[in-house]
Amino acid sequence: AQSVTQPDIHITVSEGASLELRCNYSYGATPYLFWYVQSPGQGLQLLLKYFSGDTLVQGIKGFEAEFKRSQSSFNLRKPSVHWSDAAEYFCAVVLYNFNKFYFGSGTKLNVKP
Amino acid sequence: DGGITQSPKYLFRKEGQNVTLSCEQNLNHDAMYWYRQDPGQGLRLIYYSQIVNDFQKGDIAEGYSVSREKKESFPLTVTSAQKNPTAFYLCASSSPSGGGGELFFGEGSRLTVL
Repeated sequence: AQSVTQPDIHITVSEGASLELRCNYSYGATPYLFWYVQSPGQGLQLLLKYFSGDTLVQGIKGFEAEFKRSQSSFNLRKPSVHWSDAAEYFCAVVLYNFNKFYFGSGTKLNVKP
Repeated sequence: DGGITQSPKYLFRKEGQNVTLSCEQNLNHDAMYWYRQDPGQGLRLIYYSQIVNDFQKGDIAEGYSVSREKKESFPLTVTSAQKNPTAFYLCASSSPSGGGGELFFGEGSRLTVL
């Protein structure tokens, strides 16, 4: 079955520390991959996306993600977390020429002062 | 500015009542979507529409209905048949509808059944 897995429900990091949020997908082909961020009670904002080409993609707010085909993973990273990064993060995938986007269950990030 | 407008932001409903959530976009996107969000479950697709006058059921369509009479509008009706309607509802759009475009989201509507 097609699925998107975010194994970490909650993560707490100290401000200034590095961050890595995990995302694994299970599909027959390489999908298009996305990371979104959601503040409480708000919609989702796109951080970055991967369609093809360079497997390390840069996004907004200093985030980056690396696509690893062999591991079916698309992990999100940030070298130094800021308190304003506290939010919920969602990984999403869509297969080319399809219209159904699939989302992981999300990872809530808490940032300690 | 282009974007997606959802209304109302908060809605309270008595059991047995139908309610309609509005979603309007001025991004000229072909595809529009409705998602339901519950804590710890991510986003689940209710309905989506790729073109005007056409829409498809998503993974949890039971108890919901939609229409797509205009490109800009994709309202969602939560009917009395939906057994657990209390949730956060998100509308989104994308272009091109054939894949490759990311989703743009509205700010969401929170429905509470009293």
